Order: sequence, then structure tokens, then C-alpha cells
Amino acid sequence: SQQGEEDPQALSIQEGENATMNCSYKTSINNLQWYRQNSGRGLVHLILIRSNEREKHSGRLRVTLDTSKKSSSLLITASRAADTASYFCATDAGGTYKYIFGTGTRLKVLA
Amino acid sequence: KAGVTQTPRYLIKTRGQQVTLSCSPISGHRSVSWYQQTPGQGLQFLFEYFSETQRNKGNFPGRFSGRQFSNSRSEMNVSTLELGDSALYLCASSLGSEYNEQFFGPGTRLTVL
Repeated sequence: SQQGEEDPQALSIQEGENATMNCSYKTSINNLQWYRQNSGRGLVHLILIRSNEREKHSGRLRVTLDTSKKSSSLLITASRAADTASYFCATDAGGTYKYIFGTGTRLKVLA
Repeated sequence: KAGVTQTPRYLIKTRGQQVTLSCSPISGHRSVSWYQQTPGQGLQFLFEYFSETQRNKGNFPGRFSGRQFSNSRSEMNVSTLELGDSALYLCASSLGSEYNEQFFGPGTRLTVL
């Protein structure tokens, strides 16, 4: 089974609202990465958070990591229609250079 | 700096044939990873190469193979294609350490008829 599982599977919000999606994983990690994918195209890297970090920001994105709970969350503030996409977390399974992706959260931002 | 490029972008093959996909990483990146994405299984790791050596591989049959050249370009090959091999194949490049971000190419859409 996949190491990362995101929830919710789908999320629909109004433009300007915040969107929060969560990721859970099963084994120890060195880092966790979040990606965005638009309509079956290539993935765009959003943020990498190391296992010894608890929070990281990038523009309107905020990522938290709780290694004791083996979970991470991605918060997108003041969402825009252009944020409509699928969001995935990926973990490195303890530094094996083998990234395991979650099932993804499909975000729809309504204008 | 140019991004990750993959060729071809689209491919249609029939069962039993073989296919070779190519990936050119970002200049200076020495690691290339390959992933298969399908609606049913999601994104699954195929293998990762660093400096021409395979460092890890996923749980795929031996029909899936890859290699990396001295200029870090990578190819993956799928032999004896099956209908279930229809997927988006993505490659990602990185500098190669465990704290480096992966940058993805646009993918190759393979359809097996």
C-alpha cells in the first residue's frame, strides 16, 4: 500500500478561502515534499520539509510536519481559481531515494 | 535553466511491442527517477538512477528497465507491453542527496492497444 495517504480526497472551496489538506505516512522519513499537478500534467514542486523541521512557509503556502504522528498538512491561504489542481505529498521512506506518493487531494476553487 | 524534458510526449503501441522513453534532467542534476501514474494505482515509483547506477527500484516486473548515461540522461524501456501499462510516465531529476527537491518533466502518455 502507498506510504502517503491524503485527506480529504476532494475539496471544493470559494475563491479567497483557505484550503487545508493532510497527509499521513507510515515509516520514518528524512523529508516530505508537496507537489501540485494540473490535469494529468507533470508535477510542480511546492515545498520540501525536513524531518527536523516543524513548519515551513512559501508565499501563500504553509506546511507543517508532525513526525510523532507521522503526518503533515498543507495550507493554502487566500485561494485562487488557479490553485485548482491535485495536491500530493511524497515521502522518501527513510532516505532510500525512493519517493512514495500519496493518493492526492483534488482541490477545486470556485470563482 | 531549462527544465526536465521527456520524449516523446505521446505514444501509442500495441500489446507485445516494446517501448523506450527518454528523459533529460536539469543541467547539473545527477539523479533521475521514474514514476508511473495511473488512475487506479496513482503515482508509483519505478526506479532511481544516480551517476549511471540504479540506487533503488520499485515493485515492478522485470519488463520495466532503465539506464542512465554519463551525461545523466536516462531511458526507460518496457518490453512485451500489456494493456495495463497504459499510463503517464513521469521522470524527475534532482541533485541527488536526500534533501534535494525533485523536479518533474511533463510526462510521456503511453497508450497500449
